[in-house]
Amino acid sequence: DAGVIQSPRHEVTEMGQEVTLRCKPISGHNSLFWYRQTMMRGLELLIYFNNNVPIDDSGMPEDRFSAKMPNASFSTLKIQPSEPRDSAVYFCASSPPSNRGEAFFGQGTRLTVV
Amino acid sequence: AQKITQTQPGMFVQEKEAVTLDCTYDTSDQSYGLFWYKQPSSGEMIFLIYQGSYDEQNATEGRYSLNFQKARKSANLVISASQLGDSAMYFCAMRSYNTDKLIFGTGTRLQVFP
Repeated sequence: DAGVIQSPRHEVTEMGQEVTLRCKPISGHNSLFWYRQTMMRGLELLIYFNNNVPIDDSGMPEDRFSAKMPNASFSTLKIQPSEPRDSAVYFCASSPPSNRGEAFFGQGTRLTVV
Repeated sequence: AQKITQTQPGMFVQEKEAVTLDCTYDTSDQSYGLFWYKQPSSGEMIFLIYQGSYDEQNATEGRYSLNFQKARKSANLVISASQLGDSAMYFCAMRSYNTDKLIFGTGTRLQVFP
């Protein structure tokens, strides 16, 4: 099993540009989570999906952030326009339909907005 | 609303000694799961141990055990016989089985010294 795959691993972009982060969950998993990690705010839940349906996006900081899950094997997190304060590590995680519900994380995307 | 609190920003422990990392949580749900994750300096998030809210026995996984005190809403992680490789950030997390929401605490940085 390849695990959760995120791309790109690193992204450097200029303020005002659109940024798209991608995630491929583990096959068979039905929940997908997007988190943002910073030193100041820790690991924040941005949005999560069950069976490709967004369940709670209350953690999305602003309208500049949007996320989609068009099918069970792919999700995107888009920031448009990007700002320097968006610089962080963005993690995607997926979990299987089990009683436990532990999440398995991707390697993260380190985003730097200059 | 769910909340996870880790009050120890940093902990030191000598190699081969045991250490306890604190975690308290708040939820109105009756059914939930509690998790601990390790994040080494390389950045990946590694699942360590799980405890269900209805589990009467404390969970154990090798050198990791979870001291679950439901009435106190605490889920402390105990690492026995610490090793230098245990130096990392440790996150406590909770998943509501009502909403499927998975949130994390702010983490504790553990440093193991020889």
